[in-house]
Amino acid sequence: QKEVEQNSGPLSVPEGAIASLNCTYSDRGSQSFFWYRQYSGKSPELIMFIYSNGDKEDGRFTAQLNKASQYVSLLIRDSQPSDSATYLCAVNPPRGAGSYQLTFGKGTKLSVIP
Amino acid sequence: NAGVTQTPKFQVLKTGQSMTLQCAQDMNHNSMYWYRQDPGMGLRLIYYSASEGTTDKGEVPNGYNVSRLNKREFSLRLESAAPSQTSVYFCASGLAGHNEQFFGPGTRLTVL
Repeated sequence: QKEVEQNSGPLSVPEGAIASLNCTYSDRGSQSFFWYRQYSGKSPELIMFIYSNGDKEDGRFTAQLNKASQYVSLLIRDSQPSDSATYLCAVNPPRGAGSYQLTFGKGTKLSVIP
Repeated sequence: NAGVTQTPKFQVLKTGQSMTLQCAQDMNHNSMYWYRQDPGMGLRLIYYSASEGTTDKGEVPNGYNVSRLNKREFSLRLESAAPSQTSVYFCASGLAGHNEQFFGPGTRLTVL
């Protein structure tokens, strides 16, 4: 059973702080890792993806991947109230059967306090 | 580009009624997906189509059927709706390779 685990939160951070969101996955051979942002009542929006160990930065967002420890994280610097949303972690399994599927975590709700 | 579009946005059905949810994408993606999202359950894959002409079951296919009409369109049919199918349904399309997926706006379905 492939699993992606996230703390459901809510995670509350003050405006301007760094928000740290974490995700662990069970399938060691997983290939690709994604972070989606979902505002209440809206659809998931892809904000970051990472394929290789290490850090990947895009503006205020940094994705971190550690395949040996099977975790992926998302850092949001200078958090803004507009970042308040649920963040979904998604994992692509190894090549082969099922490789077109993503397994989603249940999401972490982030609240940025002005 | 409109991206991924879904119709209808909202629907209320009575138990036993049937309906088809429509999805279209204009990004020339090969793969398309149907998910449902329920509180506390996260996103769960119902069916997917890796390419035109193929469809496969996901995690929760019972009670649903799909049709990949052409490369752009992927529909989801509920033959006999049940209250357990009350949910928000999302269609997504994806790139080959690493499988980034892009979501439509969703359909909120209530079955009474």
